[in-house]
Formats: sequence, C-alpha cells, structure tokens
Amino acid sequence: DAGVIQSPRHEVTEMGQEVTLRCKPISGHNSLFWYRQTMMRGLELLIYFNNNVPIDDSGMPEDRFSAKMPNASFSTLKIQPSEPRDSAVYFCASIPVAGGGEDTQYFGPGTRLTVL
Amino acid sequence: AQKVTQAQTEISVVEKEDVTLDCVYETRDTTYYLFWYKQPPSGELVFLIRRNSFDEQNEISGRYSWNFQKSTSSFNFTITASQVVDSAVYFCALSASRDTGNQFYFGTGTSLTVIP
Repeated sequence: DAGVIQSPRHEVTEMGQEVTLRCKPISGHNSLFWYRQTMMRGLELLIYFNNNVPIDDSGMPEDRFSAKMPNASFSTLKIQPSEPRDSAVYFCASIPVAGGGEDTQYFGPGTRLTVL
Repeated sequence: AQKVTQAQTEISVVEKEDVTLDCVYETRDTTYYLFWYKQPPSGELVFLIRRNSFDEQNEISGRYSWNFQKSTSSFNFTITASQVVDSAVYFCALSASRDTGNQFYFGTGTSLTVIP
C-alpha cells in the first residue's frame, strides 16, 4: 500500500508568494494532521482533521496559513503571503481511526519549504 | 495536560556501545499510548513502536528494546550494540484516549550520533 504522499518534496519561493502544499493520506484513514518542523521550535502540530472536518487549528501560526480537506483523499496547506520565517519542513500524517488515541500516525516524507 | 519530555538533546556514542534514550511523560488519562519515532538524516519520520498504558511488558526487537514504567512515567528506549545507521533524531510521543482525533504530543527529540 502507498504511504502518505506529499507534494512537492521541495519548494523554493520568494517572500510574498503563495505556497500550496499537498497531501494524500493513506487510503481508508480518517484523520489527517499537518505539522511543521524547524530547528528552533521542533515538531509543531498546525491543524488536524477528522473525517474531513477541521477539529483543532489552534496551532496555525496566523491568518496567512489555511488548510482544507475537500475529500478523504486530499488536503492542502496554503500560505499566503509567504515569509522567510515560514521556511521549514512540513509534514502530513494520517491515522485510520478518529478518537481513542490508540492508532499510530503515519507520516509523509515532508515538504521542505524555503522562502527567500 | 499532556506532555512529553526528552531531556537528552544530543547523545554521542562510539559504535557498538549501548545507549538509552529517555522519555518521561505526563498525563491524567488512565488510558494512553506511547510511541517512538526515528528521523534519520534523510528526514522522514519512521514509526518504531507503540505501547498502551495497560501493557507494561518490556519489548525487544532485535537491537532495540523499550522499558515502560508507569511508576516513573517513563518509556525509555535502548539500542544495544549501536551502529552508524542508528544515527538519527528519536522522538517520543504520547496520545491519550480523552483527546479527540488521536492528537499526538511529541517530545523535542534526542539527536543520536554513533561514531564509527
């Protein structure tokens, strides 16, 4: 089975540009998570969805960030406008069942974003 | 509140030495799950193990072993006869049943360097 798929793997953009990161969770998984990883702040949860519905977006840094999950097999994280401090690796993860706490999160390979 | 502490930021060992990575957690839930992930230099996050709060048996998988002690709220990870390929950042994580959607609480990670 294919794992979590993220695209692009690398993105270099200039400050002020719009950036869209994409994620395809593992088929059949009900929950999807977006994380950001930086040296300074480590691994931060940005937002997560259960059954395509955003549950907690308290980790989204500011209004420049938005995330959608239009269907069970696709999610996007958009940054508009991008800033150099958004440079990080962005991970997407999915789990098969929502709630209960017992399920393992499986991570995608990440998107390395560089904002110049 | 849920919290995971990995007090060791960086560890260096010489190849073939044993090394233990510490993980201490906090939760008020009686049902919870603990995880270890490995992040090699290539950047992906690889799931290693999951443990539930009702199972305190230690687990061994090849050179890897995990010691779960509820009395000290610890879930430590030992690598026996370390190898250069073990060099990575290791994350401990907690998921509690009270939370919706399997939200994970990650520690800050321990960077392990195995010197040949």
